[in-house]
Amino acid sequence: NAGVTQTPKFQVLKTGQSMTLQCAQDMNHNSMYWYRQDPGMGLRLIYYSASEGTTDKGEVPNGYNVSRLNKREFSLRLESAAPSQTSVYFCASRDYNEQFFGPGTRLTVL
Amino acid sequence: QKEVEQDPGPLSVPEGAIVSLNCTYSNSAFQYFMWYRQYSRKGPELLMYTYSSGNKEDGRFTAQVDKSSKYISLFIRDSQPSDSATYLCAIHSGGYQKVTFGIGTKLQVIP
Repeated sequence: NAGVTQTPKFQVLKTGQSMTLQCAQDMNHNSMYWYRQDPGMGLRLIYYSASEGTTDKGEVPNGYNVSRLNKREFSLRLESAAPSQTSVYFCASRDYNEQFFGPGTRLTVL
Repeated sequence: QKEVEQDPGPLSVPEGAIVSLNCTYSNSAFQYFMWYRQYSRKGPELLMYTYSSGNKEDGRFTAQVDKSSKYISLFIRDSQPSDSATYLCAIHSGGYQKVTFGIGTKLQVIP
């Protein structure tokens, strides 16, 4: 089992560019999550999907959109990147008690 | 007031020391308590999970929950350089409720 995979691992964007972060899990979990992690701020929830076909906003959804493509895949889109979106992005999936995290995407917006 | 408070450190200890990491929380509805370990440039991984009050031991690691004080702790005995990482506490109130994470404490174990 690969667990939770994320692509790309690194990305540099210019302000105003768009991109999609991809996430996939092979553990048959219903719930999937996108977090960003910033120094001094900890992990903050951007969006989550409790089950296939549903998505909900987390703490910091502004500037992001998500798509739950199927049970395995949950993507995060930045339509017009801003320097404030420079961060490390983690995808996670969850069984009842444990969240499993992907390796992260390091995004820099210039 | 933040839902979960955690001292970010950094905390430096000599190899072999006992390490105590702590979090406080504000919502008495929280019943599930977790500790994640995050190595540099990696995703967090679950280290310990406890439900309600009490202690749970796993090898050199002990998780302790005091719901009356809204205080959770992680103890590491005989600390090793390989324990150097950031430790995040995490809590939720059950079911698929949102997990709230502490900011993380950075630990360095010096050989």
